[in-house]
Amino acid sequence: GAVVSQHPSRVICKSGTSVKIECRSLDFQATTMFWYRQFPKQSLMLMATSNEGSKATYEQGVEKDKFLINHASLTLSTLTVTSAHPEDSSFYICSVWGGSPTDTQYFGPGTRLTVL
Amino acid sequence: AQSVAQPEDQVNVAEGNPLTVKCTYSVSGNPYLFWYVQYPNRGLQFLLKYITGDNLVKGSYGFEAEFNKSQTSFHLKKPSALVSDSALYFCAVRDTNQGGSYIPTFGRGTSLIVHP
Repeated sequence: GAVVSQHPSRVICKSGTSVKIECRSLDFQATTMFWYRQFPKQSLMLMATSNEGSKATYEQGVEKDKFLINHASLTLSTLTVTSAHPEDSSFYICSVWGGSPTDTQYFGPGTRLTVL
Repeated sequence: AQSVAQPEDQVNVAEGNPLTVKCTYSVSGNPYLFWYVQYPNRGLQFLLKYITGDNLVKGSYGFEAEFNKSQTSFHLKKPSALVSDSALYFCAVRDTNQGGSYIPTFGRGTSLIVHP
């Protein structure tokens, strides 16, 4: 399967600052990348779907101006949490997908964001 | 519309005993079904998938799942549980009748605890 990395693995920041999380597909041409948010002991919440070279599609209730997603290449997508607040603290996971409905999704290891 | 249900938040089993993690789904077309496992503070790892063909699917780490169309289920099973199988398990479904979207829906996850 595909190898997906995320950087950083954990980050602590002050309220009001912006944080960028990188998701890299190391050996897979990721036509589509998904960004998820996961609260403790809870399921995955899909935040947005991004296709290489086009604007991300955000799920209902997700603020696109707060969670900026850039998918500039087939191997890199970034999620920037702007003006972070303590309620943005969470585990963020990216996932890559080849685009066929039978394709498996491959997930990054996740980024733990803590906003003080 | 597609949906997936994992009716149990937690499953407890003794090491060496068989385990079952339940998943039921609802789709308007045909389902593509996936199981993923998540270890603490990690991303999800692919276990197995059902696309078509044999209803019994074998996957990683000795896990298998049986597709049952009449019961709309895709339960995950393993004949003999290991303590190291303790993790969070997610079932996911894609509906072939999604008009081309193919964004999967994940269940809320089931925590499997294997006792020594």
